[in-house]
Amino acid sequence: QSALTQPASVSGSPGQSITISCTGTSSDIGGYNYVSWYQHHPGKAPKLMIYDVSNRPSGVSNRFSGSKSVNTASLTISGLQAGDEADYYCSSYTSANTWVFGGGTKLTVL
Amino acid sequence: QVQLVESGGGVVQPGGSLRLSCVASEFTFSSHAMHWVRQAPGRGLEWAAIISKDGIYIYYADSVKGRFTISRDNSKHTLYLQMNSLRPDDTAMYYCATNPVGSYWFDPWGQGTLVTVSS
Repeated sequence: QSALTQPASVSGSPGQSITISCTGTSSDIGGYNYVSWYQHHPGKAPKLMIYDVSNRPSGVSNRFSGSKSVNTASLTISGLQAGDEADYYCSSYTSANTWVFGGGTKLTVL
Repeated sequence: QVQLVESGGGVVQPGGSLRLSCVASEFTFSSHAMHWVRQAPGRGLEWAAIISKDGIYIYYADSVKGRFTISRDNSKHTLYLQMNSLRPDDTAMYYCATNPVGSYWFDPWGQGTLVTVSS
């Protein structure tokens, strides 16, 4: 049950786009289209941003998008805003009937 | 609006036990699988356990297997996590979360309850 691999940090200026990668294996990301992404501000409950690889829940800005290629999922945030600054986590269902998260990526808006 | 509220956290000595609770409101608790997810200080989210809507199917992360027990009481809309043989590396914020019916994502989440294992 190794954690999915995410970059520790990414940064961008307001208005720019950034992409956060999330790498797993054929037993998790590569085996299922059950990747989800969460935005987490310290001290608050995590918020679902993307589910089933590329779907946005109601109320989430269309500036957030998700994709997947083989064993790597990606979250792209376009038109960066100061309020996007947070920690972002990917998650995947696994072949062991468990779930696994990524190590988290700290997004800094410069 | 769906709400999950955790309680039961606190300070406990290594080797001790603690039981966490998560009370759900404004949704059909008995129709949803429930999870515990934790976050150690300065670390990322770590999935810990799942219990199916009827309590029949239960799975654990290797890090808690054999020490933690997840359970639920659908009549009380409450999820539990019995934590035994606690270790310092179990120190974390513990969140409960649910899967919408038929889904594999977590939404919503509770605000969390803090467990500190220290002598």
